[in-house]
Amino acid sequence: AQSVTQPDIHITVSEGASLELRCNYSYGATPYLFWYVQSPGQGLQLLLKYFSGDTLVQGIKGFEAEFKRSQSSFNLRKPSVHWSDAAEYFCAVGARDYGGSQGNLIFGKGTKLSVKP
Amino acid sequence: NAGVTQTPKFQVLKTGQSMTLQCAQDMNHNSMYWYRQDPGMGLRLIYYSASEGTTDKGEVPNGYNVSRLNKREFSLRLESAAPSQTSVYFCASSDLGVLSTEAFFGQGTRLTVV
Repeated sequence: AQSVTQPDIHITVSEGASLELRCNYSYGATPYLFWYVQSPGQGLQLLLKYFSGDTLVQGIKGFEAEFKRSQSSFNLRKPSVHWSDAAEYFCAVGARDYGGSQGNLIFGKGTKLSVKP
Repeated sequence: NAGVTQTPKFQVLKTGQSMTLQCAQDMNHNSMYWYRQDPGMGLRLIYYSASEGTTDKGEVPNGYNVSRLNKREFSLRLESAAPSQTSVYFCASSDLGVLSTEAFFGQGTRLTVV
């Protein structure tokens, strides 16, 4: 069965420092991969997605992620973190367990990011 | 531009009570979804509706029912609430499904069952 692992429950970085959030997935075929962000008290917002092609994907808010098939990873990066980036980040893989032909998302457990001034 | 609107935002229920969570989207999307979010568990799919007039079970459907009232609205009903249903509930919509187009999420309903 498909699964997503986010090894880090909570990460704290200083404002202006670089960030890397880890995501590993288990999926038999070429995966659809997503990163979502959830600000406190808000719903989830899509940061970026990978379906095929270039393995380095650019997203909103200055985030990028790199798909590495050999490592089954899709890590999220940002070169310089801003205080407004404090939120919870979810990695997800697309699957067809539910949702018919339209598929469903399987989410990791999330990584909470805190930003120190 | 409201997007996905959920009501209520907060609710406290007693065990055995029933309630309906409302969700409406104004983006003319075909697909709608209900998820629950529990601490340390990520989001899990409860039910989905691939198009108006159809609904199907997701990963954790027990204790819930849904209605796709029209293209805009997708409600989630708890017939007899249990403490295990204490959670944050998110409604989402997507035009052509979550694998093809972006899913948009509501702000959530925080439900406590005592």
